[in-house]
Amino acid sequence: KQEVTQIPAALSVPEGENLVLNCSFTDSAIYNLQWFRQDPGKGLTSLLLIQSSQREQTSGRLNASLDKSSGRSTLYIAASQPGDSATYLCAVYSGGYQKVTFGIGTKLQVIP
Amino acid sequence: SQTIHQWPATLVQPVGSPLSLECTVEGTSNPNLYWYRQAAGRGLQLLFYSVGIGQISSEVPQNLSASRPQDRQFILSSKKLLLSDSGFYLCAWIRSARYNEQFFGPGTRLTVL
Repeated sequence: KQEVTQIPAALSVPEGENLVLNCSFTDSAIYNLQWFRQDPGKGLTSLLLIQSSQREQTSGRLNASLDKSSGRSTLYIAASQPGDSATYLCAVYSGGYQKVTFGIGTKLQVIP
Repeated sequence: SQTIHQWPATLVQPVGSPLSLECTVEGTSNPNLYWYRQAAGRGLQLLFYSVGIGQISSEVPQNLSASRPQDRQFILSSKKLLLSDSGFYLCAWIRSARYNEQFFGPGTRLTVL
């Protein structure tokens, strides 16, 4: 059974800092990994999708890496802004497109 | 472009009452559709998924059911709500089976009293 862990559970940083969010998974036989952000009371917004054959994906100030063999992914946020404050979730796709396992998320607060 | 709608946005229902939550997708055809529940402090729990009209798979046994009467419509129902059904319900669809990129609706906040 796939298990996804996100560390830290919460993070508070001053504006402008670069930061790293971690996601680990127990079964390395994955198809894809997807990072989301969720604002309070809202749905999930897709940030980046990394296919199993890729090592990383970039979108603006965001960079996500994937190391399948070690069961890890990181989301790097450069020059953090108060608008980045949200919960960030990692989702792992394994065993078919219906087998999606989410982490509980990392709650990020960027202080102005 | 594709959009996904959910309604209602919020709902307060008494224990034992019925439930119907609706999800519709625009701008695509034959999507794979999903219902999730997110409880406070917990991760997303996959409840149901559907690969086509009338095709529903359940991930966990529960007080809920799902139906897909049309290609882009997914409905979550219950005949009698329990207190434990309270939570944030999210509908999602897959861009394509190959890329497995999910897109989520805005969610429905359900409170059972």
